[in-house]
Amino acid sequence: QLVLTQSPSASASLGASVKLTCTLSSGHSNYAIAWHQQQPEKGPRYLMKLNSDGSHNKGDGIPDRFSGSSSGAERYLIISSLQSEDEADYYCQTWDTGIHVFGTGTKVTVL
Amino acid sequence: EVQLVESGGGLVKSGGSLRLSCAASVFTFSSFGMNWVRQAPGKGLEWVSSITSSSSYIYYADSVKGRFTISRDNAKNSLYLQMNSLRVEDTAVYYCARMGSAGATTYFDYWGQGTLVTVSS
Repeated sequence: QLVLTQSPSASASLGASVKLTCTLSSGHSNYAIAWHQQQPEKGPRYLMKLNSDGSHNKGDGIPDRFSGSSSGAERYLIISSLQSEDEADYYCQTWDTGIHVFGTGTKVTVL
Repeated sequence: EVQLVESGGGLVKSGGSLRLSCAASVFTFSSFGMNWVRQAPGKGLEWVSSITSSSSYIYYADSVKGRFTISRDNAKNSLYLQMNSLRVEDTAVYYCARMGSAGATTYFDYWGQGTLVTVSS
């Protein structure tokens, strides 16, 4: 079964970096994912597609301080130079024929 | 910039029906697959349904299969979700999202702002 696992929360100080993890279920370690950001009271926003080799392509207007990397079944979202507007929920998404799956989301708090 | 604007949400009683619409603009609607995703109050994102660019392939989450119907009108740049036999647990904000390609098996690259559906008992 295709499942994505995320930690419920993460925090870091203003100007610091934070690394979020999205883990693919067993047997799906080569799947690509996408990262989405959802600021409070807003619709989600696509950040990037992240492949198993770590290559990624970002959405329109996404700042350079958002980057991604991969290791085995883990997919990472790294946010550098944290800004107050980065305080949001972050969801990973993956897909297979006839199905789309979201992780449970990670709430990022900027201290 | 790509625009997706949902409408049609509201308050409905359990067992009732509702039809959501999503108006698309600033891109060639007929070239992209489309989706509905929902978010219950205080909860995460849940994929609901997908449709390919030419409506050749349609998929549903098990939670809505047999009750919801996705469709599109490429001449009107519009996506629809007909929701029947609504349940209290269908209460959510419903988002329209564009697929990154014509198919139904890739990431979502643009989202609307959502429309709230409330199902009362």
